[in-house]
Amino acid sequence: DGGITQSPKYLFRKEGQNVTLSCEQNLNHDAMYWYRQDPGQGLRLIYYSQIVNDFQKGDIAEGYSVSREKKESFPLTVTSAQKNPTAFYLCASNHGSSYNEQFFGPGTRLTVL
Amino acid sequence: DQQVKQNSPSLSVQEGRISILNCDYTNSMFDYFLWYKKYPAEGPTFLISISSIKDKNEDGRFTVFLNKSAKHLSLHIVPSQPGDSAVYFCAASSGGGADGLTFGKGTHLIIQP
Repeated sequence: DGGITQSPKYLFRKEGQNVTLSCEQNLNHDAMYWYRQDPGQGLRLIYYSQIVNDFQKGDIAEGYSVSREKKESFPLTVTSAQKNPTAFYLCASNHGSSYNEQFFGPGTRLTVL
Repeated sequence: DQQVKQNSPSLSVQEGRISILNCDYTNSMFDYFLWYKKYPAEGPTFLISISSIKDKNEDGRFTVFLNKSAKHLSLHIVPSQPGDSAVYFCAASSGGGADGLTFGKGTHLIIQP
C-alpha cells in the first residue's frame, strides 16, 4: 500500500527538549511538506522540500529544523526555541510539479508539558 | 493577514440537499485552488481542485466554482450525505502549488438526517 506514514501518533515531551517527528512516503514523490494545525485554525506551512538535499522555509519556520537526506524521508525537529510547540503536525507530499494535489499523512499530536 | 478566508465556521444542511461552502481569497497571484475534507486527529483528504484558467470543475457529487474577479470560490456537494459531515478546508497557492499551500480556517459541515 502506497502512502505517507507519520510516527508516533501522539508524542509528549518536557519543555526545553528537542523532539523529532518522523515522516516517510513510498509514493515516489519528489516534494514533501510540513504543516502545523492549532485548534480552530487552518494548516500553516513550516518547511518544504522539492528535492533531496534541498529545503525551503515556509510561513512559520522559526524554532523548527528539517533535513532531506533521502527522497522517502523528511523529518521535522521541533527545537526548544519554538515558543508554542504543542500542536497537530501534518506531513504531505506530491510529485512536485505544478498543479498537483498534496497527499497528507495521518498527523502527529505533539504535547509539550 | 489572512489570505484565504472561510467566513462560516459551521454549516448545517439536511441530508439529500445541496451543501455550499464558500471561500474568499485576497492574493491575486493565487492560481491553484483545492478543497480538502478533514476529520479530527486525522490528515486532510483531497476532494477536488481547480486552476485559475477554469471557472468550474466537477467530480461526482462535488463541484468547485471559481470567480476570479470576485476572488471567490465555492464547493457544492449534491446530494449531501451523512458521511459528508466533516471540516472542509479551502487552500490556495501561486505557481501551481509546488511551494506549499495557504489554508483557510475551515468550515464544519454537519449533515442532518
